[in-house]
Amino acid sequence: NAGVTQTPKFQVLKTGQSMTLQCAQDMNHEYMSWYRQDPGMGLRLIHYSVGAGITDQGEVPNGYNVSRSTTEDFPLRLLSAAPSQTSVYFCASSPRLELTDTQYFGPGTRLTVL
Amino acid sequence: AQSVAQPEDQVNVAEGNPLTVKCTYSVSGNPYLFWYVQYPNRGLQFLLKYITGDNLVKGSYGFEAEFNKSQTSFHLKKPSALVSDSALYFCAVRDSRGTYKYIFGTGTRLKVLA
Repeated sequence: NAGVTQTPKFQVLKTGQSMTLQCAQDMNHEYMSWYRQDPGMGLRLIHYSVGAGITDQGEVPNGYNVSRSTTEDFPLRLLSAAPSQTSVYFCASSPRLELTDTQYFGPGTRLTVL
Repeated sequence: AQSVAQPEDQVNVAEGNPLTVKCTYSVSGNPYLFWYVQYPNRGLQFLLKYITGDNLVKGSYGFEAEFNKSQTSFHLKKPSALVSDSALYFCAVRDSRGTYKYIFGTGTRLKVLA
């Protein structure tokens, strides 16, 4: 198993550009989520999904869209990038919809918005 | 609302000495508590979790954590620190009455000095 994979590893955007951060897992996990990591802020939940076709907002959803058309993929879309979205983005997944489940994290995408 | 606090931005400890990384939480129902570790330029890795039962939880790499309900704490401990333990440590909580959202603390950087 490749686990949780994220592409790209690094990305530089200009203000106003759009892009999609890719996340995929090959473990047939039901739960997937996106976080951003900022210095002094820890990890903050952006969006999460409890299965194909089902998504919900986390703490900081503004400026981001998600969809989950398959169990494996959970892309994060930035519609109009802003400097405040400069961050490191992590995708994570969990096997089942159990509150006791641990999460498996991808290696992250470092995004800079100029 | 659920929340997690990690009061120390950084903890320094000499190699071979015991270490403690502090975490306190607030939830409405029963807490499900987790510790994750992040090495430089990597995603987060699961260390251990408390679900129910014994208040002392043992995890990976010789780490353990003590759940204290009266103090609403879940401190991470290790009897003898290694230089290779130097990393960023995150505490996270889920609420048994809540949704599938994880809430992470802001992280504590552990430096083990040779």
